[in-house]
Amino acid sequence: GENVEQHPSTLSVQEGDSAVIKCTYSDSASNYFPWYKQELGKRPQLIIDIRSNVGEKKDQRIAVTLNKTAKHFSLHITETQPEDSAVYFCAASMPRAGNMLTFGGGTRLMVKP
Amino acid sequence: EAQVTQNPRYLITVTGKKLTVTCSQNMNHEYMSWYRQDPGLGLRQIYYSMNVEVTDKGDVPEGYKVSRKEKRNFPLILESPSPNQTSLYFCASSFYRPIVGELFFGEGSRLTVL
Repeated sequence: GENVEQHPSTLSVQEGDSAVIKCTYSDSASNYFPWYKQELGKRPQLIIDIRSNVGEKKDQRIAVTLNKTAKHFSLHITETQPEDSAVYFCAASMPRAGNMLTFGGGTRLMVKP
Repeated sequence: EAQVTQNPRYLITVTGKKLTVTCSQNMNHEYMSWYRQDPGLGLRQIYYSMNVEVTDKGDVPEGYKVSRKEKRNFPLILESPSPNQTSLYFCASSFYRPIVGELFFGEGSRLTVL
């Protein structure tokens, strides 16, 4: 089945700096890549997603890039703020399994004021 | 308010004592799923359901059962809980398959099996 590796597992940045989280996937047929943010004690929520027909997508301070050849995608957060502190999960679809999602292991991002 | 509701939110039980975690959504979603969250392992899918009376195993189904008798409800059943099922559980739903739209998660149920 699909395997999604996410790095780093923890990331600490200074407020105002940029943060980058990377994920690799194994199934070349995967075509949908969402990112979920989970604040402490809360439920995961979708923050951005990208489909395989585009290479980059932006929404204000967050962006996602996709490299289908290398089978990796990344989340970029610019001008980080303390409220960006959370656990971030990447995921990839599994076309050979009904397009279910496989999630990465998560990245705990800490933004220091 | 559109939401996915899980109960109980917290539960401590003992090995072998059957328990059920309920999940209900009010968005008329066809797809529902259960995940468990463990440190470093992310969200792993236990079971999912594409519609009423249709359920399928996810990545880690052993020790769990589910049912989908009504569109809005998708309970998770642990017939004989064991300590390795101590985890944070999330129910989630989406309009169709997660690839089509956002996956809405419940608040989570933290289960401890002694």
